Amino acid sequence: GQQVMQIPQYQHVQEGEDFTTYCNSSTTLSNIQWYKQRPGGHPVFLIQLVKSGEVKKQKRLTFQFGEAKKNSSLHITATQTTDVGTYFCAGSNAGGTSYGKLTFGQGTILTVHP
Amino acid sequence: DVKVTQSSRYLVKRTGEKVFLECVQDMDHENMFWYRQDPGLGLRLIYFSYDVKMKEKGDIPEGYSVSREKKERFSLILESASTNQTSMYLCASSLARWGASTGELFFGEGSRLTVL
Repeated sequence: GQQVMQIPQYQHVQEGEDFTTYCNSSTTLSNIQWYKQRPGGHPVFLIQLVKSGEVKKQKRLTFQFGEAKKNSSLHITATQTTDVGTYFCAGSNAGGTSYGKLTFGQGTILTVHP
Repeated sequence: DVKVTQSSRYLVKRTGEKVFLECVQDMDHENMFWYRQDPGLGLRLIYFSYDVKMKEKGDIPEGYSVSREKKERFSLILESASTNQTSMYLCASSLARWGASTGELFFGEGSRLTVL
């Protein structure tokens, strides 16, 4: 079945440093989504990428979808303490269905030291 | 705002007990999902439903069943709880989408189940 691997599992940074998490799928994806889960909270949707080579930005966050639609990355510039949490990628091979089953990566736990 | 409500935040059950986890969403979403979250393993899909009375197995359905009698409600059932089912259970819902795009998931707050 479809597998989505995410690295690193943990990342500690000093406030102001950049952070990147990477996601790789064993199969070609229809789209990839990114979620953030604050400590003690539930995952919250950040963005969806659909097109090959797509790049999207949300303030200090930059999301990329690979040309082959098998990998993706999330980059945070100049981290802040509010960025603390677990970041998940989730890939889907919609395959003509209306529900597009999502397979989640293991998540990257980001700690930001002030 | 979409609201996904899970009936219990914390439960403690004994091995062999039957456990019901309830989830209700208020945005008329077609799709509903049950995930479990364990450290280092991310979110793993147990079951999902894309319509009333419809259900599909996810990646780890063993030991679980589900029920969707009404569109807004999706229940997860552990027929005979075991210690390896101690976990955080997350319910989610999404709109039906066709094509390459997939509906974003709206999650509930989670139910932390401990089986002794």
